[in-house]
Amino acid sequence: QITLKESGPTLVKPTQTLTLTCIFSGISLSTSGVGVGWIRQPPGKALEWLALIYWNDVKDYSPSLNSRLTITKDTSKDQVVLTLTNMAPVDTATYYCAALVDPSGNHYRKTFDHWGQGTLVTVSS
Amino acid sequence: DIQMTQSPSSVSASVGDRVTITCRASQGIRNWLVWYQQKPGKAPNLLIDAASILASGVPSRFSGSPSGTDFTLTISSLQPEDFATYYCQQSNSFPLTFGGGTKVEIK
Repeated sequence: QITLKESGPTLVKPTQTLTLTCIFSGISLSTSGVGVGWIRQPPGKALEWLALIYWNDVKDYSPSLNSRLTITKDTSKDQVVLTLTNMAPVDTATYYCAALVDPSGNHYRKTFDHWGQGTLVTVSS
Repeated sequence: DIQMTQSPSSVSASVGDRVTITCRASQGIRNWLVWYQQKPGKAPNLLIDAASILASGVPSRFSGSPSGTDFTLTISSLQPEDFATYYCQQSNSFPLTFGGGTKVEIK
């Protein structure tokens, strides 16, 4: 069974840096074909993809947030960390991490197979 | 970036109704189109991959079909547990992009 869980602050102040951790089980980022990504959803709005990291450390970021985002992995701890700098009220959202698992192990899958429960982050002074 | 446009934004339907949701890509994405279902307060759940492949455990009343840059999600006979918001996502290329969502409401 694959599970993911997000953790981090529920409230951050404007201009601060948000650091979120995704801890997962049932998959390993040392296995070919596995990736973990982050998606966010402002209250009442649509989903927005943020970043993704694959087993071989290939990464990709949303162009609109690229300068503010960093995604890293710690394979030994089965976790992925996302940082988002210079937070603003418009960044208030539920942040989800999700796993991508390509059965063949050969491809950079871009479908989110398994999702965490999400964590609501509010940006306010 | 590839823009994904969903329509309608909301639909009211009754149990047993046939419901169709459309997603249009701003450029060709072959069949790299994903559908998710999201219930209130919950994370999205994978429904259909590669435009028409049902994810594990998804009931057969759900189906997806591609036609060029237009993609359709059909629920053949709406059940009470299907009232939710549905999102499409293109999985053709980065940056990954989602549609605006379609809320299926009880009539």
